[in-house]
Amino acid sequence: AQSVSQHNHHVILSEAASLELGCNYSYGGTVNLFWYVQYPGQHLQLLLKYFSGDPLVKGIKGFEAEFIKSKFSFNLRKPSVQWSDTAEYFCAAAASGGSYIPTFGRGTSLIVHP
Amino acid sequence: GAVVSQHPSWVICKSGTSVKIECRSLDFQATTMFWYRQFPKQSLMLMATSNEGSKATYEQGVEKDKFLINHASLTLSTLTVTSAHPEDSSFYICSARTTGTGSEKLFFGSGTQLSVL
Repeated sequence: AQSVSQHNHHVILSEAASLELGCNYSYGGTVNLFWYVQYPGQHLQLLLKYFSGDPLVKGIKGFEAEFIKSKFSFNLRKPSVQWSDTAEYFCAAAASGGSYIPTFGRGTSLIVHP
Repeated sequence: GAVVSQHPSWVICKSGTSVKIECRSLDFQATTMFWYRQFPKQSLMLMATSNEGSKATYEQGVEKDKFLINHASLTLSTLTVTSAHPEDSSFYICSARTTGTGSEKLFFGSGTQLSVL
């Protein structure tokens, strides 16, 4: 069974600081990888996804993630965070060619101080 | 983008009562909807897959008689927590899949925080 682990449960940063959130997945086959964000009081939104091709994926709002197959990782990065990035971030994996139902990590709560 | 409306956003109920949570796709038809559950500081766990016009498919360990799912139309799925108990207190999130394939077609509701006293 596939699983997704997020190492950072709570992250607190000041504005303009750089961000990296860790995500590792466990699955033997080909996976599709995702990062979702949930702003306070809002629904989950897709930040970015990786299916194939360039392992460095650009997403919305200046986020990017790098797929490193040898490390089973898909870390999320942003060079300079803003107060508006305060949210819960979820990494997810879905078996490629399967039912496309993502398995989620437990989430990382990011607080950015102005 | 597509919108999924989930209602209510939070509910407090007494132990033994039933609670219904609605999930609506507002501007698209969703043949498949998913119900997730999240305990504090844990992952979103898939509870069941709801298909329009047919019985829901429950994940292992999820009691289908306790968590009743009805997907009566292409835009509405409901989750009813029957005879709720404090251990059912959790955050429930629905998602809807459009008729296309691929996970990028998943859209999420804003979730329902259930507290059972």
